[in-house]
Amino acid sequence: DTGVSQDPRHKITKRGQNVTFRCDPISEHNRLYWYRQTLGQGPEFLTYFQNEAQLEKSRLLSDRFSAERPKGSFSTLEIQRTEQGDSAMYLCASIYPGNRVNTGELFFGEGSRLTVL
Amino acid sequence: DAKTTQPPSMDCAEGRAANLPCNHSTISGNEYVYWYRQIHSQGPQYIIHGLKNNETNEMASLIITEDRKSSTLILPHATLRDTAVYYCIVRVAHNNNDMRFGAGTRLTVKP
Repeated sequence: DTGVSQDPRHKITKRGQNVTFRCDPISEHNRLYWYRQTLGQGPEFLTYFQNEAQLEKSRLLSDRFSAERPKGSFSTLEIQRTEQGDSAMYLCASIYPGNRVNTGELFFGEGSRLTVL
Repeated sequence: DAKTTQPPSMDCAEGRAANLPCNHSTISGNEYVYWYRQIHSQGPQYIIHGLKNNETNEMASLIITEDRKSSTLILPHATLRDTAVYYCIVRVAHNNNDMRFGAGTRLTVKP
C-alpha cells in the first residue's frame, strides 16, 4: 500500500454513460498525475496537477475527459459519454514535495479499472 | 525525453540474479535513468534511478555504462514476488512533465 487511494477499483458501465473516478493522494503531496493503461501497454500520461492547478494535459485527454483537483487534495477524473475504447486502467500517482519532486519517485495507486460494454 | 528499448520478456531462476537491460542511446546529459516495476493488478512501483554513477538500494542495483547509452537493472537474488513488468525510463529530473512509460520487460521468475 503506497498510501494513494483510488475509488472505485472496478467499474463496469454501458456505452454512453458517464463515470467518475476519485484519487486521494498521500497527504502533503502537492503534485498529482493521472495515467491510463490498456492491456499489454505501459501507463500513458493524461494530465497532472500542481496543487489545484492543472498544468498539463495530454492530447489523449479528449473533450469527454475532465479532471479536477478543487482543493489541492483529492482529484476526480470524469469521462462523459463513455466509449468502448475508454476501457482501461486509470492510474493516479502523487509525488512528495521538496527535493523528492526532482527525483521522479511517483507513488501510484492501484488503479481504477473501467470496462465499457 | 529520450526513448528506451527493452526486451519484451525475460525469465530468471528463483534465487539467481536477474539482469534487465535497457538501451537509451539518445539520452541527453541532463536526463536520468529511472526504473519502475508493475506487479500484476497493481500500480507501478519506483525501484531506483541514476544519472552517471552506479546506484544501489535495498531493492536493486543500477549499472549505467560510461557512455550512458545503456543500463542494467540487477535484482541480486530474484524471488517469485519479483515477477512483474519492469519499465526503464529516461527523464530530465527537474522536468515538471510526466514519466513516460514504454511497454517494459516482463520478467518471470521461475522456481
